[in-house]
Amino acid sequence: DTAVSQTPKYLVTQMGNDKSIKCEQNLGHDTMYWYKQDSKKFLKIMFSYNNKELIINETVPNRFSPKSPDKAHLNLHINSLELGDSAVYFCASSLGGRAHQPQHFGDGTRLSIL
Amino acid sequence: KNEVEQSPQNLTAQEGEFITINCSYSVGISALHWLQQHPGGGIVSLFMLSSGKKKHGRLIATINIQEKHSSLHITASHPRDSAVYICAPFGNEKLTFGTGTRLTIIP
Repeated sequence: DTAVSQTPKYLVTQMGNDKSIKCEQNLGHDTMYWYKQDSKKFLKIMFSYNNKELIINETVPNRFSPKSPDKAHLNLHINSLELGDSAVYFCASSLGGRAHQPQHFGDGTRLSIL
Repeated sequence: KNEVEQSPQNLTAQEGEFITINCSYSVGISALHWLQQHPGGGIVSLFMLSSGKKKHGRLIATINIQEKHSSLHITASHPRDSAVYICAPFGNEKLTFGTGTRLTIIP
């Protein structure tokens, strides 16, 4: 009965590879987010989607491409991985993307680039 | 200068102590969220507030919109409260995160 689930939990890969992280929520929310937490534990928004429509694209390199096939899913594809992409990526969801709605976070995907 | 500043960055206290974590922000906001990140990495939403005070159990959050300042208090702290607490104002349809306060409660 996991609310927001991300897969995989860990991802270790070589520089230059392409990889995807999947996110699914079963809360009936219509807004989903991707966040990046760097090595200093600082969280920053990357993307948000509302009803499959891109709302926020926070100056993320074009190598990162989110895809939302439906309201319950927001996947993140990363091309040509670089060392600086090593981080923990969190997916989250909320209702309506409103200020007073809590965001529910997945457990994170730890991406390590060799 | 970060848009969201938290203090202290690290806090170690004895079990039972009253804890205060402060957050100052410079962005315009609709509400402010407090989040807790467990040692295992999971993130949980604690509060959303845009005025006054909210209380959940031993946790109390206050905000002063005019002064752009919020505080998170923990009464009768317990070792299970050990975590990173993150202040995150919500404005322009997104959360902007503080650097977090690492709280350690010693039994």
